[in-house]
Amino acid sequence: AQTVTQSQPEMSVQEAETVTLSCTYDTSENNYYLFWYKQPPSRQMILVIRQEAYKQQNATENRFSVNFQKAAKSFSLKISDSQLGDTAMYFCAFMNLLGIQGAQKLVFGQGTRLTINP
Amino acid sequence: SQTIHQWPATLVQPVGSPLSLECTVEGTSNPNLYWYRQAAGRGLQLLFYSVGIGQISSEVPQNLSASRPQDRQFILSSKKLLLSDSGFYLCAWRTPAYGYTFGSGTRLTVV
Repeated sequence: AQTVTQSQPEMSVQEAETVTLSCTYDTSENNYYLFWYKQPPSRQMILVIRQEAYKQQNATENRFSVNFQKAAKSFSLKISDSQLGDTAMYFCAFMNLLGIQGAQKLVFGQGTRLTINP
Repeated sequence: SQTIHQWPATLVQPVGSPLSLECTVEGTSNPNLYWYRQAAGRGLQLLFYSVGIGQISSEVPQNLSASRPQDRQFILSSKKLLLSDSGFYLCAWRTPAYGYTFGSGTRLTVV
């Protein structure tokens, strides 16, 4: 079974700083997707960024970028020029692409609580 | 556009009472639907998923059940709630390329 590990339960940085959230995963599969989701205090789950395992190029979405190291099974999220609105829980998630579509479940890490201080 | 609706937003129920949480999706057909639970603001645990009407797969045996009476409707139920059923429940549907889209969640408190 796939597992996702986020080793940083909490992080805190000053506004405008850059912060990196860590994520490692365990799988024997070769084709999969990786995601970072953000959960602000409203608790709505919001997709931040997505990475296909077959793509070597790291995904980027504005101030958010990932460092995907497939061999090391590592998938970190970098937030540049952090803003107060980035304060949230961040979840790393894994989805394999094998099997029937319904079995392509999202497996989540335990989350990192990120606080951006003014 | 596709949207997902989940209700109620907040629910306080006594121990031993029944539960029914509803989730509906608009703008798509035959979606894959999922129920997750999040306890104490931490990780999400998959409870049930469904790939079609009447098809339910359970991930974790527990006091809950799920049903899919219509193509775009997914219901989470319990006959008798336990204190341990308290948590934040999220419904989601699998989009073709972007992982999941989640509903706004239901905060359930069993008292």
